[in-house]
Amino acid sequence: SQQGEEDPQALSIQEGENATMNCSYKTSINNLQWYRQNSGRGLVHLILIRSNEREKHSGRLRVTLDTSKKSSSLLITASRAADTASYFCATDATNDYKLSFGAGTTVTVRA
Amino acid sequence: DAGVIQSPRHEVTEMGQEVTLRCKPISGHNSLFWYRQTMMRGLELLIYFNNNVPIDDSGMPEDRFSAKMPNASFSTLKIQPSEPRDSAVYFCASSLSAGANVLTFGAGSRLTVL
Repeated sequence: SQQGEEDPQALSIQEGENATMNCSYKTSINNLQWYRQNSGRGLVHLILIRSNEREKHSGRLRVTLDTSKKSSSLLITASRAADTASYFCATDATNDYKLSFGAGTTVTVRA
Repeated sequence: DAGVIQSPRHEVTEMGQEVTLRCKPISGHNSLFWYRQTMMRGLELLIYFNNNVPIDDSGMPEDRFSAKMPNASFSTLKIQPSEPRDSAVYFCASSLSAGANVLTFGAGSRLTVL
């Protein structure tokens, strides 16, 4: 079963704009990760945030985690056409190393 | 490292035929995962191995599916007999260990069962 649920399902923005997507999950977690999938390719790990962290940055990516609300957000700043992809959050529940993926947010960046 | 290598990239077969998907994980990674991706169900974990031992196969849909990992550098996912509803993209992923579970995915094997 899918632990994480992303919102929105799809997002279309202009190049240079910011893209924000959210992930909600159901049970206590060890970590939350974000992955990107380009069309026809495998998933690529973007960033991992631990349950005791609240915010993390990596280049143009900013991830927040609110364990009290069981939610996370991924912000992509100054988007580029190459950011067009599907983005998935993945969680591993406490005492369980299985990674469960959400349904993903499809982001389209228009040139 | 060439990353996680999967073969075949594409397979088209007829219902009832046996399908074998192959995966070579990243050298030094101790955990290996098989996922299936469909539009309807998203990414589903089928099975994962730690140090070549199957740890959790609760995601394997039914007895028609089996997975093996005879050594640290090779794993197979077999479907026998295949059915049209098995059509999906099957991903193999590996990680350093089950606890440090940042996954590196292969490019996937797209299976079409007619």
